[in-house]
Amino acid sequence: AQSVTQLGSHVSVSEGALVLLRCNYSSSVPPYLFWYVQYPNQGLQLLLKYTSAATLVKGINGFEAEFKKSETSFHLTKPSAHMSDAAEYFCAVSESGNQFYFGTGTSLTVIP
Amino acid sequence: NAGVMQNPRHLVRRRGQEARLRCSPMKGHSHVYWYRQLPEEGLKFMVYLQKENIIDESGMPKERFSAEFPKEGPSILRIQQVVRGDSAAYFCASSSDRGRNQPQHFGDGTRLSIL
Repeated sequence: AQSVTQLGSHVSVSEGALVLLRCNYSSSVPPYLFWYVQYPNQGLQLLLKYTSAATLVKGINGFEAEFKKSETSFHLTKPSAHMSDAAEYFCAVSESGNQFYFGTGTSLTVIP
Repeated sequence: NAGVMQNPRHLVRRRGQEARLRCSPMKGHSHVYWYRQLPEEGLKFMVYLQKENIIDESGMPKERFSAEFPKEGPSILRIQQVVRGDSAAYFCASSSDRGRNQPQHFGDGTRLSIL
């Protein structure tokens, strides 16, 4: 069975501080993993994806994520938070290609 | 902008009416997915369609909900006899191919409110 768990529904960081958003997955096959960002009243934008190549994946807007098979994790990080990073972030796993399984999301607040 | 287009952005219906949500995929994409997002929750898969075919409808409620993706025109998600519990944001996504490594590109959603 496939599922995604995002620990921490709300995360607050100061502007310029490290951003760490956690994602753990379960999958019966080697997973393909994705991070999306959602701004208010908008759809989801793809930040980055892991598709079994390099375990450290770089995405847009300075974000990156590391796939750790031993920990079944795919945490999202950014060295220095910017005010424009405030949004909802979703981790997703694709197993069959028919659908994505999404976590419940993490709302990121950036404090000036 | 050749992104995924959904309309309307907001739709208000009274209980018992029908709701029709439209989705035009990105240019060149023939795979369409519908998801529902309830407040404070992630997106839940509803249905996956390819031109004129329903590939996977395992997430669709058994009654009142239907989807189509005709040869010409947008994909339609239809909800008959709407109830309060249907209030949600409905998102459409598209991809250029089928496969686990294919990212899905999302529209801005239709926010359905049931009075």
